Amino acid sequence: AQKITQTQPGMFVQEKEAVTLDCTYDTSDPSYGLFWYKQPSSGEMIFLIYQGSYDQQNATEGRYSLNFQKARKSANLVISASQLGDSAMYFCAMRPSVSSGSARQLTFGSGTQLTVLP
Amino acid sequence: DSGVTQTPKHLITATGQRVTLRCSPRSGDLSVYWYQQSLDQGLQFLIQYYNGEERAKGNILERFSAQQFPDLHSELNLSSLELGDSALYFCASSATDSLSYEQYFGPGTRLTVT
Repeated sequence: AQKITQTQPGMFVQEKEAVTLDCTYDTSDPSYGLFWYKQPSSGEMIFLIYQGSYDQQNATEGRYSLNFQKARKSANLVISASQLGDSAMYFCAMRPSVSSGSARQLTFGSGTQLTVLP
Repeated sequence: DSGVTQTPKHLITATGQRVTLRCSPRSGDLSVYWYQQSLDQGLQFLIQYYNGEERAKGNILERFSAQQFPDLHSELNLSSLELGDSALYFCASSATDSLSYEQYFGPGTRLTVT
């Protein structure tokens, strides 16, 4: 079984500063994918970034980067130069590989509510 | 805009009733997933269809059922509704089952059971 843990229910960051949202995971699957999604107050789920467990480099997408530490089973999201529009709930999620035989759905953490202060 | 559409956006109904939520995946996506987001349970996977066939089941109640039609749209049927079924229901789609293919979420249907 897979489990995602996000230990920060809420975070505050000053506009233009960087912020790290924590995510740890637990799985027995040999390969897996890690995802981050953003959910603004309007409710939609927006895909941000993906990291494969065998990827050699940490994923980056614009102002988003994923600090992947496989040995520690952590996949923290780093947002650089925070903007007011970044205020939202952020979810870390995991998905097993096809070869593991497990279903391919996402398992989500409980989320972190990020508030960017002007 | 993710390209995934869900209707209706909001639904208010009474306990004991039955409702149908509809989802159209992104063009070309074969896989459809349904998730439930509630305050107490968080985001939970319900069921997945791939090219018309059920692929995986999660924490889906027996009162709930789903199907994916030949045109790849999907419907989630919720019956004998209870107050606890009030939640945001998301549909997501992905091109294939491959690991790296992200799931694109629709805007959700907010169900309120009174």
